[in-house]
Amino acid sequence: QQQVKQSPQSLIVQKGGISIINCAYENTAFDYFPWYQQFPGKGPALLIAIRPDVSEKKEGRFTISFNKSAKQFSLHIMDSQPGDSATYFCAARRGTSYGKLTFGQGTILTVHP
Amino acid sequence: NAGVTQTPKFRVLKTGQSMTLLCAQDMNHEYMYWYRQDPGMGLRLIHYSVGEGTTAKGEVPDGYNVSRLKKQNFLLGLESAAPSQTSVYFCASKQGLYNEQFFGPGTRLTVL
Repeated sequence: QQQVKQSPQSLIVQKGGISIINCAYENTAFDYFPWYQQFPGKGPALLIAIRPDVSEKKEGRFTISFNKSAKQFSLHIMDSQPGDSATYFCAARRGTSYGKLTFGQGTILTVHP
Repeated sequence: NAGVTQTPKFRVLKTGQSMTLLCAQDMNHEYMYWYRQDPGMGLRLIHYSVGEGTTAKGEVPDGYNVSRLKKQNFLLGLESAAPSQTSVYFCASKQGLYNEQFFGPGTRLTVL
């Protein structure tokens, strides 16, 4: 049972463009939604995270938009750079679940120079 | 600080062989997790531990066992490896319930 669905599977963007990755969840008990960035041969690393009491969070070129009623959230990467090429995972956590994360399927982002 | 380290980095097994993957963290974290990563499926939780001497099943525990005898180490065992266990395995740790998880570099396992 995939509780967090992520799309697209892969994304190609030109340098300077906007990359958008979407996630949808089913469990309304989720209370924390992080995005992880993974470079080839490395483990995932936390990029940015949001809680459902806010609709948007921005850190530099990275923004999470959150729609609680639609149970959807998305990652926007502004002015995408070749160094942003990586796999991105959305995730969700229930506060009572010992910190366990449920991950989306992942999106392979390629930014062409 | 080395953070989260995993041993070995790569391993090839034959069906039926056993092995143990070691995860070590030097951050004095309470919580530790084992995930497997497969193409198109994201990361799926195998087992986790909320403290020394404790373990619990995650989403895909079948065919795996774990132990946390020391706070800094979390071992993942495969008693009789199967080709379906070919995957990249990641360990993660975190301090408090609401803190971020820190991931190790992964172990790529191939079962022939």
